[in-house]
Amino acid sequence: AQSVSQHNHHVILSEAASLELGCNYSYGGTVNLFWYVQYPGQHLQLLLKYFSGDPLVKGIKGFEAEFIKSKFSFNLRKPSVQWSDTAEYFCAVNAPGGGADGLTFGKGTHLIIQP
Amino acid sequence: ETGVTQSPTHLIKTRGQQVTLRCSSQSGHNTVSWYQQALGQGPQFIFQYYREEENGRGNFPPRFSGLQFPNYSSELNVNALELDDSALYLCASSPSGQMNTEAFFGQGTRLTVV
Repeated sequence: AQSVSQHNHHVILSEAASLELGCNYSYGGTVNLFWYVQYPGQHLQLLLKYFSGDPLVKGIKGFEAEFIKSKFSFNLRKPSVQWSDTAEYFCAVNAPGGGADGLTFGKGTHLIIQP
Repeated sequence: ETGVTQSPTHLIKTRGQQVTLRCSSQSGHNTVSWYQQALGQGPQFIFQYYREEENGRGNFPPRFSGLQFPNYSSELNVNALELDDSALYLCASSPSGQMNTEAFFGQGTRLTVV
């Protein structure tokens, strides 16, 4: 079974600080990788996704993530955070062909940006 | 806003009762998945429906069941409710039975079992 680990459960940063949220998964084969964000009171939204190709993927709102296959990692980054980035961030994985197994999510990282 | 709508938004039930949650998928999407998100946890996959058939299931007991209708809307039914079933239940739709596409989530139904 797949599993996803997010290393930081709570992160507090000041505006303009750089952000990196860690995500590791356990699955030896080809995977699809996702980062979702949940703003307070809103639905889960896709930030970015990796299926194949360039391991550095860019998403919405200035976020990017790098897939490092050898490290089973898919860390999320943003060079300069804003107060509006305060939210819950979830890393998720799915194995192609195993689409019927749904997404496996990490426990999430609660990010608070202080003005 | 996604095109995925869920009803009701909040629900309180008593232990032992049964509950039905509803989901309308985004237009053009034939696949619906359901997730349970307990407080402080990530969503956990319950099951997926593709063209009215269950084609994948997570580690949930049989008292969690579902349906998908010809218009691709879906229901999640939970029988014999337990206190631990209290959670946010999320519905997600996608345009195919494979997950190499984005899943669009609804806002969820908050179920409280007392």
